[in-house]
Amino acid sequence: GAVVSQHPSWVICKSGTSVKIECRSLDFQATTMFWYRQFPKQSLMLMATSNEGSKATYEQGVEKDKFLINHASLTLSTLTVTSAHPEDSSFYICSATAAGAENEQFFGPGTRLTVL
Amino acid sequence: EDQVTQSPEALRLQEGESSSLNCSYTVSGLRGLFWYRQDPGKGPEFLFTLYSAGEEKEKERLKATLTKKESFLHITAPKPEDSATYLCAVQAWSNYKLTFGKGTLLTVNP
Repeated sequence: GAVVSQHPSWVICKSGTSVKIECRSLDFQATTMFWYRQFPKQSLMLMATSNEGSKATYEQGVEKDKFLINHASLTLSTLTVTSAHPEDSSFYICSATAAGAENEQFFGPGTRLTVL
Repeated sequence: EDQVTQSPEALRLQEGESSSLNCSYTVSGLRGLFWYRQDPGKGPEFLFTLYSAGEEKEKERLKATLTKKESFLHITAPKPEDSATYLCAVQAWSNYKLTFGKGTLLTVNP
């Protein structure tokens, strides 16, 4: 089956620093990748949609200058949280779809970010 | 705006005690309704996709059904390993985004 990985699985950083999270499709080419954020006991909230080689589309209320998304290849997307603050602490999950099967999203295992 | 409401928020069952989880939705043209299982600290694991009212799908002890306004996830004779949060999401025809509900935390006691 389609496998999506994320790295790191967890990260702790100091307030004001930047953190990069990678999302990789291991056995298929991901034409579209999605980034979600999930707070405790809350739903997955879509942050942005990225297509390979083009700029990401951000959901309303998500700061594009704070959450930088790069989808430079068909197997890799990165999310950089710039100048992270404690309120950015959350569980970040990516998903990916393949060409011709855009209705099926395959999810990564998530990255737990804690900002001190 | 697409909306998904899941109930109950939490459900505690004894092993073997069957029950159902509910997912009510409003969407501007349903492309598909998805059920996922999520274990603590993990990403969602795909269970089912339902596309039209009347459709049913089964997998082991789970059966998902769909009407024009809601979906049910029936759990028959659950086991402790079925304990997890079950998420429902809808996808509209206008795009491929998923709108998730908050989930139902299922605990099955031995």
